[in-house]
Amino acid sequence: NAGVTQTPKFQVLKTGQSMTLQCAQDMNHEYMSWYRQDPGMGLRLIHYSVGAGITDQGEVPNGYNVSRSTTEDFPLRLLSAAPSQTSVYFCASSFSRVFDTEAFFGQGTRLTVV
Amino acid sequence: AQKVTQAQTEISVVEKEDVTLDCVYETRDTTYYLFWYKQPPSGELVFLIRRNSFDEQNEISGRYSWNFQKSTSSFNFTITASQVVDSAVYFCALSEAGNYGGSQGNLIFGKGTKLSVKP
Repeated sequence: NAGVTQTPKFQVLKTGQSMTLQCAQDMNHEYMSWYRQDPGMGLRLIHYSVGAGITDQGEVPNGYNVSRSTTEDFPLRLLSAAPSQTSVYFCASSFSRVFDTEAFFGQGTRLTVV
Repeated sequence: AQKVTQAQTEISVVEKEDVTLDCVYETRDTTYYLFWYKQPPSGELVFLIRRNSFDEQNEISGRYSWNFQKSTSSFNFTITASQVVDSAVYFCALSEAGNYGGSQGNLIFGKGTKLSVKP
């Protein structure tokens, strides 16, 4: 039982490059989400999904795309990386959006855009 | 709109001191869930507790205790006899059930409190 797996753990990008942060869970959770963590800002919601084929924007969606073709995977795409996207990214999953059960977080991806 | 405020940005204590981390939340919903997470220097998020809005019983788990008071919209976290291993950033978070629509679900985090426990 792996829980929530994020890859890569570390990444350095040049401004303008694109990349995809991977997130996979093996708990058959309907709800998955992406957060970014910046110093002094806590964790802020980027995008979330309540099931395969359904996604929606969170608090800070600009510059990021998501899709959910399977229950297990929820990749986060940066189409043209900017230094402002330097952050630590966390993927989370739960049985429901309301979090009336425990939320599981991945180990995080530390992204630096130069 | 829902909001979580952790007014203490950083706290420094000496080992064996008791310390309380404050969390104040705002919500219009009658059904909601409150959480505490620990983020040690290694960076992962460690789940500590979840409380629903209908359960105001205080909870104790070893050296950790939580005081939930709906009257003051607070969900404070106390560490008794702190240890160096307690050094971490602690996050309080809120999830609404959406009884008033529009803001159902999703975890809203406070900005975190960095706790340093010195030997």
